Amino acid sequence: KNQVEQSPQSLIILEGKNCTLQCNYTVSPFSNLRWYKQDTGRGPVSLTIMTFSENTKSNGRYTATLDADTKQSSLHITASQLSDSASYICVVSRNTGKLIFGQGTTLQVKP
Amino acid sequence: EAGVAQSPRYKIIEKRQSVAFWCNPISGHATLYWYQQILGQGPKLLIQFQNNGVVDDSQLPKDRFSAERLKGVDSTLKIQPAKLEDSAVYLCASSSYNRDLNYGYTFGSGTRLTVV
Repeated sequence: KNQVEQSPQSLIILEGKNCTLQCNYTVSPFSNLRWYKQDTGRGPVSLTIMTFSENTKSNGRYTATLDADTKQSSLHITASQLSDSASYICVVSRNTGKLIFGQGTTLQVKP
Repeated sequence: EAGVAQSPRYKIIEKRQSVAFWCNPISGHATLYWYQQILGQGPKLLIQFQNNGVVDDSQLPKDRFSAERLKGVDSTLKIQPAKLEDSAVYLCASSSYNRDLNYGYTFGSGTRLTVV
């Protein structure tokens, strides 16, 4: 079954700290993996997109990693800011173009 | 580049009433998607259009939900009659039609529906 599992479900950190969100998937055939940020009441916004051959990709303070062998990905946020408070969704695309969504990790950054 | 436009942003209706949502995709994007996102969950695909044809509507509750994209550009999603469990954010997304990495997959801001 094609699934995307994220952990933790929610996370609270202090401003300025780093954190890492996890994503495991069983989607096949794999095309690419995306991380989205979704602010409350808004649509998801793409942070990174990685194909099978890419191990890491950065977007400012966001760094995503991908291990296609173990089917795991992580999103690392460096020097967190209050504006990072949001849901982070891991999405895996099959080569048919269909997207499989994770449940998301809700991150709260406190001052 | 203009994004995916959706309206209205919010809607409150009573159960058994009807409601319609509108979406205008990014210009040139042939593929349009409607998602339902219940609070605390990831988006669930309701229907996917390729131009004005339906590609996937396997998870669309067809007894009460309908969608159309008559001219292959903008689209409407209708619920009739609404149930309490339809309370959710309805997201529209569009992408360019290819199987490469750069789908240009973009979401709109969504319509938050509350059924009371």
